[in-house]
Amino acid sequence: DTAVSQTPKYLVTQMGNDKSIKCEQNLGHDTMYWYKQDSKKFLKIMFSYNNKELIINETVPNRFSPKSPDKAHLNLHINSLELGDSAVYFCASSPRTSGYNEQFFGPGTRLTVL
Amino acid sequence: DAKTTQPTSMDCAEGRAANLPCNHSTISGNEYVYWYRQIHSQGPQYIIHGLKNNETNEMASLIITEDRKSSTLILPHATLRDTAVYYCIAANYGGSQGNLIFGKGTKLSVKP
Repeated sequence: DTAVSQTPKYLVTQMGNDKSIKCEQNLGHDTMYWYKQDSKKFLKIMFSYNNKELIINETVPNRFSPKSPDKAHLNLHINSLELGDSAVYFCASSPRTSGYNEQFFGPGTRLTVL
Repeated sequence: DAKTTQPTSMDCAEGRAANLPCNHSTISGNEYVYWYRQIHSQGPQYIIHGLKNNETNEMASLIITEDRKSSTLILPHATLRDTAVYYCIAANYGGSQGNLIFGKGTKLSVKP
């Protein structure tokens, strides 16, 4: 009965590869997000997305792209991985009814780029 | 969004109340105060939010000063499982999408 789930939990890959992280929420929420938490533990939003609007943090390289096959899923595709992409990536979702800032986070995906 | 300042770390004895302060002196009238926490190796967890009235739920209480320039999150009976980084965030009530900006937070260590 996990609310927000992510796969894989760990991802180790080589520089230059393309990879995807999947996120699913079974809460019926309207909006989903991707956050990045770097080695210094700073948590920064990358994208927020609902059926109508995609908002991209301007600091996110265009190698990162969110893809939403349906309202319950928001996957993160990363092309040409770089060492600096190593981080923990969190998916989150929020309902319209609580103003979107009451967010539910997934367990995270630890990405290591070698 | 208004910036917030929090102490880097705090200790609390198990079973005692943990009072976590947050300053948000530049908060605007339509910004709420949100509290989240992140237990080691887990995703952040929403705790509580408020605008100007004090709020209480099953997890914690939120006390906001009358001028709204500061607030305190209270965990009434801290347990070892409350050891985490606590984030205080000032943000608008959403619009069409969330707008949380996480700072460095306060690392709370609950000790036996």
